[in-house]
Amino acid sequence: DTAVSQTPKYLVTQMGNDKSIKCEQNLGHDTMYWYKQDSKKFLKIMFSYNNKELIINETVPNRFSPKSPDKAHLNLHINSLELGDSAVYFCASSQFRVGGNEKLFFGSGTQLSVL
Amino acid sequence: GENVEQHPSTLSVQEGDSAVIKCTYSDSASNYFPWYKQELGKRPQLIIDIRSNVGEKKDQRIAVTLNKTAKHFSLHITETQPEDSAVYFCAAFMEYGNKLVFGAGTILRVKS
Repeated sequence: DTAVSQTPKYLVTQMGNDKSIKCEQNLGHDTMYWYKQDSKKFLKIMFSYNNKELIINETVPNRFSPKSPDKAHLNLHINSLELGDSAVYFCASSQFRVGGNEKLFFGSGTQLSVL
Repeated sequence: GENVEQHPSTLSVQEGDSAVIKCTYSDSASNYFPWYKQELGKRPQLIIDIRSNVGEKKDQRIAVTLNKTAKHFSLHITETQPEDSAVYFCAAFMEYGNKLVFGAGTILRVKS
């Protein structure tokens, strides 16, 4: 059983389109995240939700809108896709938030290519 | 501010040799420092972590050291094997912003 699963694994689309990536975790964690990994492998946090509440929102364009229907799911919707959005998007979850001692469990990633 | 610097960006070693990756952080209040390994095309996975009340931690061939005064921490891999080849990320939990900030990664190649 996959602990953190995200779909789709690959997403190829045209500029200007709207797309969504889904993420689900079966670990019972309270906190979920979206990270973006660019072509240089740099991992940068985009959003964090704790029990469906948004707690971290980095300076991400408002074309990106996360949605957490419950604490086991965190989806990412992207409007008006741009070439610079091409990257690998990782969903992650963790159990603790106090003191930041939080082991992250990552999903397998979604390779987004905007043409 | 929030910053984690990681060096080197690439590292090639001969099988059996040791590899050392170093990171520095900016937030003196940081108290948690994990290391993640990402194999080609795979997800990052935690390999070892250290908290600020400990100076060193070891797990088989992997060890991490932390110098809070100097605000730097290092990953040491001994007796490297080809399967150690991957991208390694250090990270530091930043009290400012309440988030984990990653270094830029080190591509480790172990030559057999």
